[in-house]
Amino acid sequence: GDSVTQMEGPVTLSEEAFLTINCTYTATGYPSLFWYVQYPGEGLQLLLKATKADDKGSNKGFEATYRKETTSFHLEKGSVQVSDSAVYFCALSDQGNAGKSTFGDGTTLTVKP
Amino acid sequence: DAGITQSPRHKVTETGTPVTLRCHQTENHRYMYWYRQDPGHGLRLIHYSYGVKDTDKGEVSDGYSVSRSKTEDFLLTLESATSSQTSVYFCATGGVQGSYEQYFGPGTRLTVT
Repeated sequence: GDSVTQMEGPVTLSEEAFLTINCTYTATGYPSLFWYVQYPGEGLQLLLKATKADDKGSNKGFEATYRKETTSFHLEKGSVQVSDSAVYFCALSDQGNAGKSTFGDGTTLTVKP
Repeated sequence: DAGITQSPRHKVTETGTPVTLRCHQTENHRYMYWYRQDPGHGLRLIHYSYGVKDTDKGEVSDGYSVSRSKTEDFLLTLESATSSQTSVYFCATGGVQGSYEQYFGPGTRLTVT
């Protein structure tokens, strides 16, 4: 079945540091890939997505590129802020199948001033 | 924001009692999902619905049942609550045509004593 493996945390960075959170996936079809973010006490919210190979999703300075050859979707940001402190989830969804998604275990990011 | 609300937001109950959590959406999304989130386990799918009165089991469905009598409401029932069901429960919706992202509610924190 489908699976998502993401970088274990927690990750602690200083403000303005470069961020990479690794994500690799296994899927039988041609999935859409997502990064979700969860702030304390809230539900997950979509951060960015990519629907086909070589697509780059971007939002709020975060980027991730759909790499089919390496089955990866790594999240990057050039300069993190304290407000980026949150839990980040990588996920995939195969077309059809009632839109079900498979989520990674989440990576906790803490940014210190 | 998909207009998803969950009620109650917090609940403490005793072992052996039935508990019902409600998810309400205002976006007319076709699919609805119930997840539980526990430390070290990420998000796990309990049950999902692909239409009114159409539901199916997820990966951790034992001890839970669901009902969806209208598009906007999806109920999760713990038939006889146990301490292992202490968790944060999230409802999500999806099925916007051509897209596979999910939209999450704010969560319900359930404690079973």
